[in-house]
Amino acid sequence: AQSVAQPEDQVNVAEGNPLTVKCTYSVSGNPYLFWYVQYPNRGLQFLLKYITGDNLVKGSYGFEAEFNKSQTSFHLKKPSALVSDSALYFCAVRDTAGGSYIPTFGRGTSLIVHP
Amino acid sequence: SQTIHQWPATLVQPVGSPLSLECTVEGTSNPNLYWYRQAAGRGLQLLFYSVGIGQISSEVPQNLSASRPQDRQFILSSKKLLLSDSGFYLCAWSGGQGNYEQYFGPGTRLTVT
Repeated sequence: AQSVAQPEDQVNVAEGNPLTVKCTYSVSGNPYLFWYVQYPNRGLQFLLKYITGDNLVKGSYGFEAEFNKSQTSFHLKKPSALVSDSALYFCAVRDTAGGSYIPTFGRGTSLIVHP
Repeated sequence: SQTIHQWPATLVQPVGSPLSLECTVEGTSNPNLYWYRQAAGRGLQLLFYSVGIGQISSEVPQNLSASRPQDRQFILSSKKLLLSDSGFYLCAWSGGQGNYEQYFGPGTRLTVT
């Protein structure tokens, strides 16, 4: 079975400061991990993914995420936050074991970047 | 490049009326297609997914149904809407068998009155 948790409903950060949005997962096999962003009244946009290889994954808009197998985490990071980064962020996981290719999404974390 | 379209963007329907939401994908062939519902409060609920024409899998028993009459067309329907059907409906597509990301449409905001 696969599951994903985003332990923070909301993250507040000042513009220019680094930001981290947390995600932990549980799978039986190996994980495929994804981050998406959603602006109000819009569909989700793909940011980045981890499939295999380098644990540090770089994605769109200056975001990156670090895959940590021992801690089963895939936290989203950005060195310097912008007010325009304020949005809802979703982490998703797909377990390579079990045969299903349907991802499980976290409940989302609202990121608020203050000017 | 690939694009995904959904319409209508917003819809207000009375209880008991029928529903038809349409989703089309351009620029790819044989995509996996998905319908999600996002209620207020953010969580995504997978409603249906399809790996090919006429192949529909339902994740949640409800008064909704889905059809895939063409390779890149996915339709969400209901014969009689309930108040609880209100929400933000998202269509998505992906390629491959699971190591591929999903691409979402702009969504349809449905309000059942």
